[in-house]
Amino acid sequence: DTEVTQTPKHLVMGMTNKKSLKCEQHMGHRAMYWYKQKAKKPPELMFVYSYEKLSINESVPSRFSPECPNSSLLNLHLHALQPEDSALYLCASSRPSPISTIYFGEGSWLTVV
Amino acid sequence: AQRVTQPEKLLSVFKGAPVELKCNYSYSGSPELFWYVQYSRQRLQLLLRHISRESIKGFTADLNKGETSFHLKKPFAQEEDSAMYYCALSGQRGGSEKLVFGKGTKLTVNP
Repeated sequence: DTEVTQTPKHLVMGMTNKKSLKCEQHMGHRAMYWYKQKAKKPPELMFVYSYEKLSINESVPSRFSPECPNSSLLNLHLHALQPEDSALYLCASSRPSPISTIYFGEGSWLTVV
Repeated sequence: AQRVTQPEKLLSVFKGAPVELKCNYSYSGSPELFWYVQYSRQRLQLLLRHISRESIKGFTADLNKGETSFHLKKPFAQEEDSAMYYCALSGQRGGSEKLVFGKGTKLTVNP
């Protein structure tokens, strides 16, 4: 299994809703990531977890709350989002090493209305 | 600070023509450089990385530390190469990998 699986593929939520994006990998990777990608733009790093601990938070607003329940799962909890948060949210994983390849999921398309 | 520059936002070539996608980087340590490709409606996937020095789908890239470049080349472009290409650089921080992407080059190979 060399895939990173993300659910849901599409999500539409209101600005007062609470929702979660989920990510799963079974490659034994101990580093997991959330990236945000706006249309026609490169992915931008949001969070990095290493050995289930948050190691990098790229000054992401608190309305985005990551969670790493175990070494295979990564969640992104969403609350009180703004329309400008609409984007493709990519989960990725790798071995926690600077020479490791990062594998990406297909992403979750989020629309905030 | 890590920075990746892809000077060409769009690149259009004809099938069978050579193609070169430019990438320059700025990094104070020893860089680990990658090319990722994103075909229409597909996931971002690794094309190649400099440390492995392999050729994937006919593409090669050589790290030139003197010019701080990692240009992607293919001698004969194919229509199925049309995609968005991102050059990326990684540096380790806090025990984890931080991958920084360039803005990307959209390659169109015309028949």
